[in-house]
Amino acid sequence: DTAVSQTPKYLVTQMGNDKSIKCEQNLGHDTMYWYKQDSKKFLKIMFSYNNKELIINETVPNRFSPKSPDKAHLNLHINSLELGDSAVYFCASSQEPISSYNSPLHFGNGTRLTVT
Amino acid sequence: GESVGLHLPTLSVQEGDNSIINCAYSNSASDYFIWYKQESGKGPQFIIDIRSNMDKRQGQRVTVLLNKTVKHLSLQIAATQPGDSAVYFCAENWSQNRDDKIIFGKGTRLHILP
Repeated sequence: DTAVSQTPKYLVTQMGNDKSIKCEQNLGHDTMYWYKQDSKKFLKIMFSYNNKELIINETVPNRFSPKSPDKAHLNLHINSLELGDSAVYFCASSQEPISSYNSPLHFGNGTRLTVT
Repeated sequence: GESVGLHLPTLSVQEGDNSIINCAYSNSASDYFIWYKQESGKGPQFIIDIRSNMDKRQGQRVTVLLNKTVKHLSLQIAATQPGDSAVYFCAENWSQNRDDKIIFGKGTRLHILP
């Protein structure tokens, strides 16, 4: 009965390939996010969507393209993968557009992407 | 610039003792602060939060203290248990120039000694 689920859990691919990570939440939240966690455990926001509309787009290479077919899903597509893209990618959701008091972020368990 | 940092990257605590994890933040305009716990192989999990108009909030075995004067946040865990082993992140609701987002600190690993 996972609230925020991501697939796949592990993704190993070669440089130059295109890959997608899928995320679904069953919490009925209006806002979803993608975060990237590097090897030093630093978590940085990449994107957020509210009701399928992009509201946060951090300085992320345009090889990364989020897609939200409906408010329960937020997928991340990455083109021309590079070594530096290796990280753990976390999907999250919250009820409010900006996670606020009594509306914390709910995270999935991450997708570990390894680019060789 | 954006900065939510922690004083200690690793904290070792004897089982049963209290743990205190500290965090410094840089944006005086931030109005909401959160602590997350991340266990190995899992995503961060919400522990407790606090608004900027409060200086203390208590949960089950956890207390968050906020000192806005020195921009300092701490998480206290009472009677630390083996299950508390994890990486703990403080986070702030960064609000500047119409840019609202949750940004995370670097994390502190809590290690429980038997």
